[in-house]
Amino acid sequence: EVQLVESGGGLVQPGRSMKLSCAASGFTFSNYGMAWVRQAPTKGLEWVATISYDGSSTYYRDSVKGRFTISRDNAKSTLYLQMNSLRSEDTATYYCTRRYNHWFAYWGQGTLVTVSS
Amino acid sequence: DIVLTQSPALAVSLGQRATISCRASESVRSSMHWYQQKSGQQPKLLIYGASNLASGVPARFSGSGSGTDFTFTIDPVEADDIATYYCQQSRNDPLTFGSGTKLEIK
Repeated sequence: EVQLVESGGGLVQPGRSMKLSCAASGFTFSNYGMAWVRQAPTKGLEWVATISYDGSSTYYRDSVKGRFTISRDNAKSTLYLQMNSLRSEDTATYYCTRRYNHWFAYWGQGTLVTVSS
Repeated sequence: DIVLTQSPALAVSLGQRATISCRASESVRSSMHWYQQKSGQQPKLLIYGASNLASGVPARFSGSGSGTDFTFTIDPVEADDIATYYCQQSRNDPLTFGSGTKLEIK
C-alpha cells in the first residue's frame, strides 16, 4: 500500500524558514516523480513544486521560486521542501504527492504550516 | 496560466446523476484530471486523462471531454459521495486546479 507521511509543519514567524519532510513507503520511491501541493485554509488546491525521479530536474510555481527548494533522498525514500523567507500567504496545508505523468496519483494526509507573528 | 472554471456547488438527490463541469481558458487537449476531497481529508485521484478511471475507483464515476470543456459524472450518487471535486490540467506549466465544486445532497 502506498503511504506518504508528511511532517515538519507548525507555526513559524514571517521571514523565517521551515523544512517539511515526506516519508514514502509501499512503492519504489526512486522510480517516481514527486510533488508538493498546498491548500490554504478553506481554499482550493495549488501546485507548489515538482521533482523528477532522480532529483535532476525541479520545477516551481513563480510565487515560491527562489524561496522554496524541493529535494529528495532516494536512499531514505524521503521527499523534502525547504521553505525560506516565509510569508503569510504561504499559510496552508502542504501535501506530498506521488506523480504519474502529470497528475497526482497518491496524496499524503498533509501537514499544516501557519506563518504568523 | 490556464484558468479552470468550475461551478461552486451542486445539489443532487441520492440515486440521481451528478454532472460537474470544468472549462479551461485554453485548450488542454485531454490533459484533464479529477479529484475528490472529502471534508478533513486529502484529495484522491478519480479520473486521469479526461476519461480514464483511476485504480479502485467505482464505475459510478466517469469523465469526458477534450479541448476546453470537460464533464465529470457520478451516476448514481451515493451518500458517501459528499465532497468537493476538483479538476486539474497538465497541458501547460504551471499545473493548475479548478476552484472546486461542492457536491451536496438534496
